Amino acid sequence: EAQVTQNPRYLITVTGKKLTVTCSQNMNHEYMSWYRQDPGLGLRQIYYSMNVEVTDKGDVPEGYKVSRKEKRNFPLILESPSPNQTSLYFCASSKTSGGAIPSYNEQFFGPGTRLTVL
Amino acid sequence: TQLLEQSPQFLSIQEGENLTVYCNSSSVFSSLQWYRQEPGEGPVLLVTVVTGGEVKKLKRLTFQFGDARKDSSLHITAAQPGDTGLYLCAGDPGTASKLTFGTGTRLQVTL
Repeated sequence: EAQVTQNPRYLITVTGKKLTVTCSQNMNHEYMSWYRQDPGLGLRQIYYSMNVEVTDKGDVPEGYKVSRKEKRNFPLILESPSPNQTSLYFCASSKTSGGAIPSYNEQFFGPGTRLTVL
Repeated sequence: TQLLEQSPQFLSIQEGENLTVYCNSSSVFSSLQWYRQEPGEGPVLLVTVVTGGEVKKLKRLTFQFGDARKDSSLHITAAQPGDTGLYLCAGDPGTASKLTFGTGTRLQVTL
């Protein structure tokens, strides 16, 4: 089954304790992205990756890191989480062509990770 | 960053009613997508509109892209409880590879 998986689905942690949220897709998509979803703000992009070893900042990258060592995996790293990073996080993947996302490609989303930082 | 404003933010209606959700921006988008998100899940694509003035239908859902490609609407005819969810529009500015998502419209349809 074609899917994007995220782990963990739920996480409660404390300020400053490093954590990683994993994301994996089995559709051989080049493009992967992380979003956070907050009430009234919609989905905001954190980081994205056009392909292996190619990553770039989205709209809200502060406090986050990513890596893309393999095509299927795109982990999100919070080196020193803070309470303002409490949110619902989504990973997504999509096909690309010619090094850019065609304007009408569908993004496939994972089920989300609900993170609470105390 | 280009912004997409959706209205209304919340909508609670009874089964059988019609409704329209709006997605507006001051910026031009090369295409616009509509997603629906159900509780505990990620958004799922409903439709993509590409051409200014384009109208697409998906059963009881009608999507329109504005002539100037700055806005879009989603009309649901005879809403059903299964339509309940968060509706998100997402615009592609046609530049370097990222979608801008709207603020979302949360729809609840009751019996």
